[in-house]
Amino acid sequence: GDSVTQMEGPVTLSEEAFLTINCTYTATGYPSLFWYVQYPGEGLQLLLKATKADDKGSNKGFEATYRKETTSFHLEKGSVQVSDSAVYFCALSKVGSNYKLTFGKGTLLTVNP
Amino acid sequence: EPEVTQTPSHQVTQMGQEVILRCVPISNHLYFYWYRQILGQKVEFLVSFYNNEISEKSEIFDDQFSVERPDGSNFTLKIRSTKLEDSAMYFCASSDLEDSPLHFGNGTRLTVT
Repeated sequence: GDSVTQMEGPVTLSEEAFLTINCTYTATGYPSLFWYVQYPGEGLQLLLKATKADDKGSNKGFEATYRKETTSFHLEKGSVQVSDSAVYFCALSKVGSNYKLTFGKGTLLTVNP
Repeated sequence: EPEVTQTPSHQVTQMGQEVILRCVPISNHLYFYWYRQILGQKVEFLVSFYNNEISEKSEIFDDQFSVERPDGSNFTLKIRSTKLEDSAMYFCASSDLEDSPLHFGNGTRLTVT
């Protein structure tokens, strides 16, 4: 079945450091790919998405590129802030079933001042 | 910005008891979902609900689970006879269209003792 694997956390960085959180997927067909973020005490929020190969999703300085050849959707940010501290979830969905998300385990990011 | 709200934030119950988890989706949304995350594991899809009926459910969503939209604003998940393994964070979500991004609530942490 479909699955998402993301790097184990926790990840601890200093403010202004470069962030990469790796995500790879296994799926038949052409899934849509997502990054969700969960800030402390809040629900899951859609951070960015990409629906086809080579698409780049971006939001709030975060970027991820849909790489079909490597089945990856790595999340990057050039300069993290303390306010980026959160749990980040990579997810996929099949065409026509955007509501049925398959999630990775989540990666806790802590950014220190 | 409109939010999905879930109550309570934390519920403790004894094994064998019935619990009802409550959600108020965003008011103009038509599609409703429940997900859960067992501690240390992935967020998993449970069920989707549209037009007063279940549109899809996962294999996790067995006969002990049920969902209901009892009025125009609430969406509930009932677990008839809780088991220890039902302990998890339960997330409600809603969307306005079937293929729109999901808006998640903050979750209800259910602890079964």
